[in-house]
Amino acid sequence: AQSVTQLGSHVSVSEGALVLLRCNYSSSVPPYLFWYVQYPNQGLQLLLKYTTGATLVKGINGFEAEFKKSETSFHLTKPSAHMSDAAEYFCAVGYTGFQKLVFGTGTRLLVSP
Amino acid sequence: DSGVTQTPKHLITATGQRVTLRCSPRSGDLSVYWYQQSLDQGLQFLIQYYNGEERAKGNILERFSAQQFPDLHSELNLSSLELGDSALYFCASSASGTSWETQYFGPGTRLLVL
Repeated sequence: AQSVTQLGSHVSVSEGALVLLRCNYSSSVPPYLFWYVQYPNQGLQLLLKYTTGATLVKGINGFEAEFKKSETSFHLTKPSAHMSDAAEYFCAVGYTGFQKLVFGTGTRLLVSP
Repeated sequence: DSGVTQTPKHLITATGQRVTLRCSPRSGDLSVYWYQQSLDQGLQFLIQYYNGEERAKGNILERFSAQQFPDLHSELNLSSLELGDSALYFCASSASGTSWETQYFGPGTRLLVL
């Protein structure tokens, strides 16, 4: 069965520090991978996605993620955290022929001054 | 603004009651998804419609039902409500409902069952 694991329900960083949010998936077929962000009292918004092609994907707000097939990972990074990055981040996986996305449990990013 | 609208924003009701949540997808999108978000269950996929037809089903209770109308708006009906149904309900839409497409989420309907 398809699944997504996000390590760490909460991640705390200082403003200006590296952000690393971890996502691992299980799959026997090539996955489509997504990162969504949810700001307080809002719906989810796509940060970036990997479907095919280049394994390093750049998204909005300076975020990027790298698809590593050998590690079944799609970790999200940002070189320098900003206070406005504080939000909940969801990793999700989809597959051809399988209509729904499977979401991880989310990681809340806390940014301190 | 994602272009997906949901009404109402907030809903307070009592156990045993029935409510209807409404969603209008982005212009041009044919597929609608419903999700439930709660503290204990996280984000759970409920059901997907494409151009009026049910396409995929997730963890949707038998007390819940949905439909997509010819104008492509969708409604989620929740009946015999229980305290545990209190949650944030999101609607999302995509162009053709394929698994590699971006889903655009609405702002959600917050349901409180007392």
